[in-house]
Amino acid sequence: DTEVTQTPKHLVMGMTNKKSLKCEQHMGHRAMYWYKQKAKKPPELMFVYSYEKLSINESVPSRFSPECPNSSLLNLHLHALQPEDSALYLCASSQESAGHEQYFGPGTRLTVT
Amino acid sequence: QKEVEQNSGPLSVPEGAIASLNCTYSDRGSQSFFWYRQYSGKSPELIMSIYSNGDKEDGRFTAQLNKASQYVSLLIRDSQPSDSATYLCAVNPREGGYNKLIFGAGTRLAVHP
Repeated sequence: DTEVTQTPKHLVMGMTNKKSLKCEQHMGHRAMYWYKQKAKKPPELMFVYSYEKLSINESVPSRFSPECPNSSLLNLHLHALQPEDSALYLCASSQESAGHEQYFGPGTRLTVT
Repeated sequence: QKEVEQNSGPLSVPEGAIASLNCTYSDRGSQSFFWYRQYSGKSPELIMSIYSNGDKEDGRFTAQLNKASQYVSLLIRDSQPSDSATYLCAVNPREGGYNKLIFGAGTRLAVHP
């Protein structure tokens, strides 16, 4: 089973709102990722968690705050976003061993108004 | 910034033909290579991974890797209209740790009946 789940599927939020995106995997993977994808562009890496510790932050603005409560869960807390942050937010996971195949969830379509 | 380059397409092939998708990368130390398929409005789906020089076949898909030429390709035999999608090449560079993937911009494939 290579399933990564994400909630919600769609989210519309105002620039003063606080919301969270959630991601879950039950494959025993020890690395989890957040990506942002704009229309007709490839996914852009935002954050990497390895063994529940933040290992990569791609200079993401502080209005995006990741959290990894345990090895199966990954959250992305959103606050004071801008309209240009509207995008598809993708979660992925992978083994921490040779291979590193990343499996993506279905994504959350975020619209900031 | 390490680069992964793909022809954006569209690559148009008739049903039943072989579709050939190409990708070049700039980091000679890159270790792992992946092909993802992405349908419009959906998340990327892993279809092939390759780590050693040569060919790797899985059903109608063949991935080819030539590290000396820094080139990776994907062949799709007996192309079907359902193969119409954007194909993303992703490379694990040496720099940044083995969790990081760099994506190409993607090649749009259109298979016409």
